[in-house]
Amino acid sequence: EVQVLESGGGLVQPGGSLRLSCVVSEFTFSTYAMSWVRQAPGKGLEWVSTIGGSDGTTYYADSVKGRFTISRDNSKNTLFLQMNSLTAEDTAMYYCATSYNSGWYYFDHWGQGTLVTVSS
Amino acid sequence: EIVLTQSPGTLSLSPGERATLSCRASQSVSSNYITWYQQRPGQAPRLLIYDASSGATGIPDRFSGSGSGTDFTLTISRLEPEDFAVYYCQQYGSSPPTFGQGTKVEIK
Repeated sequence: EVQVLESGGGLVQPGGSLRLSCVVSEFTFSTYAMSWVRQAPGKGLEWVSTIGGSDGTTYYADSVKGRFTISRDNSKNTLFLQMNSLTAEDTAMYYCATSYNSGWYYFDHWGQGTLVTVSS
Repeated sequence: EIVLTQSPGTLSLSPGERATLSCRASQSVSSNYITWYQQRPGQAPRLLIYDASSGATGIPDRFSGSGSGTDFTLTISRLEPEDFAVYYCQQYGSSPPTFGQGTKVEIK
């Protein structure tokens, strides 16, 4: 069974930075795309970013473009999200998900999430 | 971007009843690339349906999806206690992938 485990969330001041990590096991990590999806408290789901499997092409939501950077280390089955210039609107649970490429991407295996709180 | 509107916002039903959830897109979804997710309180979303009507691995057959173009439906044939949750649709026919705002299925 695929296991997805995020870490790195926490409390950060506005304007600060945070780096999230996600380890995936029991999975051919390097061949699959991976994504981050977030959920603000009491709100719905919002796609944040996706990175391709083999070619590593990156995609970002307009709301985070230029501030967030997605990357991966295939040797360690690990996905990252570097978040800079954080604002209160970035406060959310951040989910890591394996991403199936059909059309664009959907999200088949999800972690339990890591909470990011941006507040002074 | 494609906007997905789910209705109703809340569905109040009893165990054993049939649930019908709607997801309407602001424009036609390419190849009917629609998924449905279930999110129980305090848990991560779980993939139920992909390609509008294909069940994900391990999903009970009481969950079914249908629709095409701009109108899609998730049906739960007989509600079990564990089915009371929030359900989201998502389109992946075009970038960016977008989600509906969710439908909460609550116990009546």
